[in-house]
Amino acid sequence: DTGVSQDPRHKITKRGQNVTFRCDPISEHNRLYWYRQTLGQGPEFLTYFQNEAQLEKSRLLSDRFSAERPKGSFSTLEIQRTEQGDSAMYLCAFGGLAGVDTQYFGPGTRLTVL
Amino acid sequence: RKEVEQDPGPFNVPEGATVAFNCTYSNSASQSFFWYRQDCRKEPKLLMSVYSSGNEDGRFTAQLNRASQYISLLIRDSKLSDSATYLCVMDTGRRALTFGSGTRLQVQP
Repeated sequence: DTGVSQDPRHKITKRGQNVTFRCDPISEHNRLYWYRQTLGQGPEFLTYFQNEAQLEKSRLLSDRFSAERPKGSFSTLEIQRTEQGDSAMYLCAFGGLAGVDTQYFGPGTRLTVL
Repeated sequence: RKEVEQDPGPFNVPEGATVAFNCTYSNSASQSFFWYRQDCRKEPKLLMSVYSSGNEDGRFTAQLNRASQYISLLIRDSKLSDSATYLCVMDTGRRALTFGSGTRLQVQP
């Protein structure tokens, strides 16, 4: 158990709706990441926080996506005006336990856009 | 061309067999390397880091060849529980991890 929880675990929505996902590490970790994984592919990096500062965003993160980490603990990822292509597993990860570079993933939120 | 290339498999092997996966990468700036394991519909879990000197963890051995830009994972005495997708992963120093698409292993009784 990595100590990361994600909510909800599954979300089904209609195209055009907004959705928000939450990631909670059990204890505070400096580095928090969001990834997206589609079927048959490895996870793809979306964005990264060092404490509350969003330090990097992937080109995959279109204007419809926004992420926050207001107090340097939990984080939220919002997708506005969802499209069918947004259907994927959204994974939260944190880093810094066993080494500088290792990352540990939460169970993910599976999004289905109808 | 993808930054990380893996044979998608599936590799179907009998219990007790030895199986090896290779992975090639294109970014010579890659600094850290890992193998993650992912079960169906679950999150990726860190299996092991990969060092230039090679490292072993029980039945698992990982090797890194920087000159040829590939890493490998060797699993000895395969167990049914080893059935999963194995993801080749690297960190180019940007903090974000870059994943391959994974190699699927099915160990059969």
